[in-house]
Amino acid sequence: EAQVTQNPRYLITVTGKKLTVTCSQNMNHEYMSWYRQDPGLGLRQIYYSMNVEVTDKGDVPEGYKVSRKEKRNFPLILESPSPNQTSLYFCASSTSPGAGRYGYTFGSGTRLTVV
Amino acid sequence: AQTVTQSQPEMSVQEAETVTLSCTYDTSESDYYLFWYKQPPSRQMILVIRQEAYKQQNATENRFSVNFQKAAKSFSLKISDSQLGDAAMYFCAFNPEGGGATNKLIFGTGTLLAVQP
Repeated sequence: EAQVTQNPRYLITVTGKKLTVTCSQNMNHEYMSWYRQDPGLGLRQIYYSMNVEVTDKGDVPEGYKVSRKEKRNFPLILESPSPNQTSLYFCASSTSPGAGRYGYTFGSGTRLTVV
Repeated sequence: AQTVTQSQPEMSVQEAETVTLSCTYDTSESDYYLFWYKQPPSRQMILVIRQEAYKQQNATENRFSVNFQKAAKSFSLKISDSQLGDAAMYFCAFNPEGGGATNKLIFGTGTLLAVQP
């Protein structure tokens, strides 16, 4: 089954404790992206990657890191999480170009709470 | 800046009735794509319908259809014969570069749809 696998589904952590949210896709998509979803703000792009070793900032990159060492994986790293990073996170992928034609395939989301 | 606006934070509809969710966007591009995504309580993002800006014909998918008004930059979603399973958050999204360099989707703030039995 074609899918984007995102883990964990829920995560509660403390301020300053480094964490990684994993994302993997099995569709050989070139393009991968991370979004955060907050009430009243919709989904905002954090980082994206056009292909292996090619990443770039989205609209809200502060406090986040990403890497793309393999085509299928695109982890999101929070080096020192803060409470304002409490949010619902989505990983998404698409062909490139292709997001316009087909939209994204989304992971199932990670609910992160930073206390 | 390219933006997507959903002016209805919440909507409610009776089962079997029709409801229309509004979406407007701002762009100077002539070629782009528009989408509606559904997010049920499971949180999964489900593509409902898409529209290509160069096509004048409105897209339809079963009970879902759009009213695309390019000059007005409006892209509303009509749900006919509403069902309890249609209750969800609905996001309008816009790809401003027609599948170009960034593949970026810009999302609205969402409309929470309740379906009353």
